[in-house]
Amino acid sequence: GIQVEQSPPDLILQEGANSTLRCNFSDSVNNLQWFHQNPWGQLINLFYIPSGTKQNGRLSATTVATERYSLLYISSSQTTDSGVYFCAVGPSMEYGNKLVFGAGTILRVKS
Amino acid sequence: NAGVTQTPKFQVLKTGQSMTLQCAQDMNHEYMSWYRQDPGMGLRLIHYSVGAGITDQGEVPNGYNVSRSTTEDFPLRLLSAAPSQTSVYFCASSYNQEEGELFFGEGSRLTVL
Repeated sequence: GIQVEQSPPDLILQEGANSTLRCNFSDSVNNLQWFHQNPWGQLINLFYIPSGTKQNGRLSATTVATERYSLLYISSSQTTDSGVYFCAVGPSMEYGNKLVFGAGTILRVKS
Repeated sequence: NAGVTQTPKFQVLKTGQSMTLQCAQDMNHEYMSWYRQDPGMGLRLIHYSVGAGITDQGEVPNGYNVSRSTTEDFPLRLLSAAPSQTSVYFCASSYNQEEGELFFGEGSRLTVL
């Protein structure tokens, strides 16, 4: 099945700094999503981005499907950006085209 | 717009008890799924459904049952709870199986003693 690797595993930022999170995947995909799990455990969908670039406020994402990676950019980070960022890709032909989740990047933003 | 609603948010069970985690979505999504999240194990798919009357197993289905009698509802049943089922459970839905954003409920934290 598809393998998903996220880097870095852990990141500490000072408030106001910028960051780039990376997601590498092992096979062609037609579904790639980024999620943020906040410190209260809620999983929020940030982007549905199987290819191309999207922006939403201080966050943007780029997926280069032919090179099998996606990047999530966070600019002018805030303490509310803290949490875990997951990349998920699909389809995986196991278990009905399910999304395969990466292990996540833990982000801590200090004030 | 409620999105995906899960209940209860917290539950403590004794080994051998049964219970049902409720999940409802109001987005007319075809695809619904249940995940469990454990430390170091990430999100693992338990069961999923691609439409009313259709369910199938994910990675870790043992000890759980599901049904999908309506488009809106997808309950997860624990038949005889075991300590290994202590976890945080998430229900999720999307427009269909192949594409579209996946929306998660707020999660249900289950402890089995």
